[in-house]
Amino acid sequence: DQQVKQNSPSLSVQEGRISILNCDYTNSMFDYFLWYKKYPAEGPTFLISISSIKDKNEDGRFTVFLNKSAKHLSLHIVPSQPGDSAVYFCAATFSGSARQLTFGSGTQLTVLP
Amino acid sequence: DAGVIQSPRHEVTEMGQEVTLRCKPISGHDYLFWYRQTMMRGLELLIYFNNNVPIDDSGMPEDRFSAKMPNASFSTLKIQPSEPRDSAVYFCASRASPGGWGQYFGPGTRLTVT
Repeated sequence: DQQVKQNSPSLSVQEGRISILNCDYTNSMFDYFLWYKKYPAEGPTFLISISSIKDKNEDGRFTVFLNKSAKHLSLHIVPSQPGDSAVYFCAATFSGSARQLTFGSGTQLTVLP
Repeated sequence: DAGVIQSPRHEVTEMGQEVTLRCKPISGHDYLFWYRQTMMRGLELLIYFNNNVPIDDSGMPEDRFSAKMPNASFSTLKIQPSEPRDSAVYFCASRASPGGWGQYFGPGTRLTVT
């Protein structure tokens, strides 16, 4: 039972364009969402997060949008750069879970020069 | 800060052997998590500790897996006996409370059981 789903295993985008990575969740108790980026042979690194009381959080080129009614969040990267090529994981948590993270399966982003 | 440290980075062993993976969390972090990443199941939580005490080990696949945290700066994940299906990348992560809910991951240990 996947509570956090990333339905696109891969995405290719031209340098300078927008990358949009999507994530859906099923557990309505989730109240905090995070995006992690992972390069090969490295551990995931925290990128950006959003609380369920917000619908948007922005940090430089990265913006996360949350649509609670649709149980959907997305990560926008503008403009995309070749160094952004990595696997992106969506994760979710809620207070009753002792803040354990439930991860999606990841999306491989490739930014083409 | 050196970040979360894991050793070894790579481990190749034969089926039936004992494997011990090691983790040093970030100093001051009171939560420690062990994850396993496979192609089939993605990133799955195996066990986590709070203040050196195991809180939830429901993700541990079977009795062959065990984890300990004898002090705040060291944890081990042991597999005995190992099987080929245990081949995966094992990550350790830590975080502090109070604070944000993001966890800091180590570089992982790639385990291959032949």
